[in-house]
Amino acid sequence: DTAVSQTPKYLVTQMGNDKSIKCEQNLGHDTMYWYKQDSKKFLKIMFSYNNKELIINETVPNRFSPKSPDKAHLNLHINSLELGDSAVYFCASSQADINYGYTFGSGTRLTVV
Amino acid sequence: AQSVTQPDIHITVSEGASLELRCNYSYGATPYLFWYVQSPGQGLQLLLKYFSGDTLVQGIKGFEAEFKRSQSSFNLRKPSVHWSDAAEYFCAVGARSNTGKLIFGQGTTLQVKP
Repeated sequence: DTAVSQTPKYLVTQMGNDKSIKCEQNLGHDTMYWYKQDSKKFLKIMFSYNNKELIINETVPNRFSPKSPDKAHLNLHINSLELGDSAVYFCASSQADINYGYTFGSGTRLTVV
Repeated sequence: AQSVTQPDIHITVSEGASLELRCNYSYGATPYLFWYVQSPGQGLQLLLKYFSGDTLVQGIKGFEAEFKRSQSSFNLRKPSVHWSDAAEYFCAVGARSNTGKLIFGQGTTLQVKP
């Protein structure tokens, strides 16, 4: 059983399209996150949700909209995709106290052409 | 400002040699510190963590790290590297809060020579 699963693993799409990435965790964690890893492998937080409530919303274009229907799911919808959105997007989850660290999904490689 | 610096972008070691990956942080509060490993095309796997107590922590795959408050460092070590250790290594810092935000370093690529 995969602890944090993301779909799809690969996503190739044209500029201007709208796409979604889904994430589910079966660990019973309260908090979920989206991170973006750029071409230089730098990881930057985008959003976090704690029990369906938005906690962190970094300076991300409002074309990106997270949605958490329940505490086990956190989806990321991206409108009007741009070339610069090409990256690997990681979902992660943690307990409310992060002293146990995050559990990451395997990532979604988004390529905008 | 909160930040994590991994001074070495790329390190090459011979199989069987010892390894030390450096991590320096800047953080206002007492930090939680983590090392993650990322194999090609994979997600990040937690190697070890420090949040209190003994400053020398043991992790998986034979790795250890030492927290040195005076130097704001949390360096990762392994006495004998295996070819399978070739990967990207990330240091991260966070704190107890309701945000759970982790700040990551830029990563160190480890190459292992046979």
